[in-house]
Amino acid sequence: AQSVTQPDIHITVSEGASLELRCNYSYGATPYLFWYVQSPGQGLQLLLKYFSGDTLVQGIKGFEAEFKRSQSSFNLRKPSVHWSDAAEYFCAVVTMDSNYQLIWGAGTKLIIKP
Amino acid sequence: GAVVSQHPSWVICKSGTSVKIECRSLDFQATTMFWYRQFPKQSLMLMATSNEGSKATYEQGVEKDKFLINHASLTLSTLTVTSAHPEDSSFYICSARDSGLDQPQHFGDGTRLSIL
Repeated sequence: AQSVTQPDIHITVSEGASLELRCNYSYGATPYLFWYVQSPGQGLQLLLKYFSGDTLVQGIKGFEAEFKRSQSSFNLRKPSVHWSDAAEYFCAVVTMDSNYQLIWGAGTKLIIKP
Repeated sequence: GAVVSQHPSWVICKSGTSVKIECRSLDFQATTMFWYRQFPKQSLMLMATSNEGSKATYEQGVEKDKFLINHASLTLSTLTVTSAHPEDSSFYICSARDSGLDQPQHFGDGTRLSIL
């Protein structure tokens, strides 16, 4: 069965510092990979996605993610966080076996220290 | 970018009433729409998947008669919570996706449903 693991429930980062949020998946082939962000009380916004090709993908709001097949990972990074980045971040995958459904990680809450 | 409009954003109503939530794709045709429920501090739980013109496919444990889904056109899906009770209070989010496995889901802003 496919699964997505976000090992960090909370991460606290100082404003201006770099950020890396971890995501690992379990699947026999390469899935389609997504990162979404959710601000409190709101829906989800797509940050970036990976389907194939260049393993380093650029997204909106200065985020990027790198797909590493050998580690089954798709970690999200940002060189310098802003207070407005405080939110919940979800990693998700779609596979041929998931019947078009997103398989979600549990989410990582990002807290920004002033 | 693709925009999904969900409406209303907040509903408060009495126990026993029915509530309809709308989900519209504004600038693309949504072959498939999804309805999720999110409990506080948790990830999204998929309730059902609907394809335009077909009956929705419900996830295990989701009551079809309780949560009625209609996907009448390529731009509109509705979720009706029938005879709502306090335990139905939750955050409901819809998403829409164009055809193709590689198309991402685009999400509405969610509906906060509070049943008194």
